Amino acid sequence: DGGITQSPKYLFRKEGQNVTLSCEQNLNHDAMYWYRQDPGQGLRLIYYSQIVNDFQKGDIAEGYSVSREKKESFPLTVTSAQKNPTAFYLCASSNQRGETQYFGPGTRLLVL
Amino acid sequence: EDKVVQSPLSLVVHEGDTVTLNCSYEVTNFRSLLWYKQEKKAPTFLFMLTSSGIEKKSGRLSSILDKKELFSILNITATQTGDSAVYLCAVDMNRDDKIIFGKGTRLHILP
Repeated sequence: DGGITQSPKYLFRKEGQNVTLSCEQNLNHDAMYWYRQDPGQGLRLIYYSQIVNDFQKGDIAEGYSVSREKKESFPLTVTSAQKNPTAFYLCASSNQRGETQYFGPGTRLLVL
Repeated sequence: EDKVVQSPLSLVVHEGDTVTLNCSYEVTNFRSLLWYKQEKKAPTFLFMLTSSGIEKKSGRLSSILDKKELFSILNITATQTGDSAVYLCAVDMNRDDKIIFGKGTRLHILP
């Protein structure tokens, strides 16, 4: 089945630790996105990538990093510089021209 | 500043009622407006609207866009408990393929 997968479903981070969230899609989409969702707030864009080996900062990129070495994969690293990482993280993908975005199931990150 | 505003933020109605959710926007380089339904996890796509005045329908859900007044509504008729969710409105800007989301309307349907 075509779709977007994210792992893990839940992730716990200790203070000062970097953690990486996985996002994989087999929809042959060029564009991929990472969003953060906090209670009572809409989705906020962290990073996006329109093509392999290229990515752009979104609205809240500080404390995060990404890579796009393969079309299918867009991992997000939450670094120790992100002071408030507890949130629900959603990955999405779309065709190159910004058509409808399809979302993965999300990863909930909690800080210990 | 580009923004998308949804109202109401939350809504509680009884099963069988009809509800109207609102989404207004102020963005540069509008391309399309999207509605999503978010239950427990990831949002699922409902509609994409690009032209004014053309209603999109899917079962009991329908939506329409007014590009002159910069808003969209999502209607749900004969609501069911399974319609309980957060409904997200988003605007796709014709600039770097970015999308801005509203904060959502939390809809709760009482049996």
